[in-house]
Amino acid sequence: KQEVTQIPAALSVPEGENLVLNCSFTDSAIYNLQWFRQDPGKGLTSLLLIQSSQREQTSGRLNASLDKSSGRSTLYIAASQPGDSATYLCAAHQGGSEKLVFGKGTKLTVNP
Amino acid sequence: SAVISQKPSRDICQRGTSLTIQCQVDSQVTMMFWYRQQPGQSLTLIATANQGSEATYESGFVIDKFPISRPNLTFSTLTVSNMSPEDSSIYLCSVEDGFQDHEQYFGPGTRLTVT
Repeated sequence: KQEVTQIPAALSVPEGENLVLNCSFTDSAIYNLQWFRQDPGKGLTSLLLIQSSQREQTSGRLNASLDKSSGRSTLYIAASQPGDSATYLCAAHQGGSEKLVFGKGTKLTVNP
Repeated sequence: SAVISQKPSRDICQRGTSLTIQCQVDSQVTMMFWYRQQPGQSLTLIATANQGSEATYESGFVIDKFPISRPNLTFSTLTVSNMSPEDSSIYLCSVEDGFQDHEQYFGPGTRLTVT
C-alpha cells in the first residue's frame, strides 16, 4: 500500500529565502507525481507534474525533482514571496490505476 | 487544463439529513473522482465515477452512504447521506486529463459542516 510522507509539516521563512519541501513515497511503481497548492478553505491548484521517466520539472520559480529509486521528490521555491503562503501537497499517481495518494502537506508561511 | 465548478461552495446541515454536491466540468472527461478532506487531514479518495457505469468505491466508503451519479461526460453528483458530525469535511471533485500525462485537476471544493 502506497504511503506518502511530507516533511516538514510546517515551515516559516522570511521573504526572499529559497526553500525546499520534501516528499517521500514507499512504492516506487508510480506513474507520475504531482505537486499541488491549497489555500485555506479552497480547492487544489496543480503546480507541477513529473512523469516517472523524468528527473525534474520547472515552472517559474518552482522546480520539482523526482528520484524514483529512493522514493523521494522535492519542491524547490526560489525567492519566496508572501503570496506563496499556502499548504503544499504532493500526490503519487499509482501505476496501473488512476488513484492519487496524497501526503498530509507542508504548511508554508512566508513572512514579509 | 479543465475548469471545474462545484455547488454548493459550502453548507451547514443537520444530523440525519442528506446533501447532494454537484460537479461540472467545461470539457468532456472520462474519469471523474470524488475526494474527502477531513479537518487537518489530507485528501482521501472516495470513489471513481465513469460515465455509463457504476462508481468504484475505495475501501471504507459505500454506495449507500455516498451515492454517485455520472449522467454524462461533463457532470457528476455526490450525495452524503444520513449525515453525522463526522462527515464534516471538504468534498472535492477532480478530473483526469488523459492527454496531458494524466494530470488531475480539482474543483474548488464544498465545505460541509454537520451540526
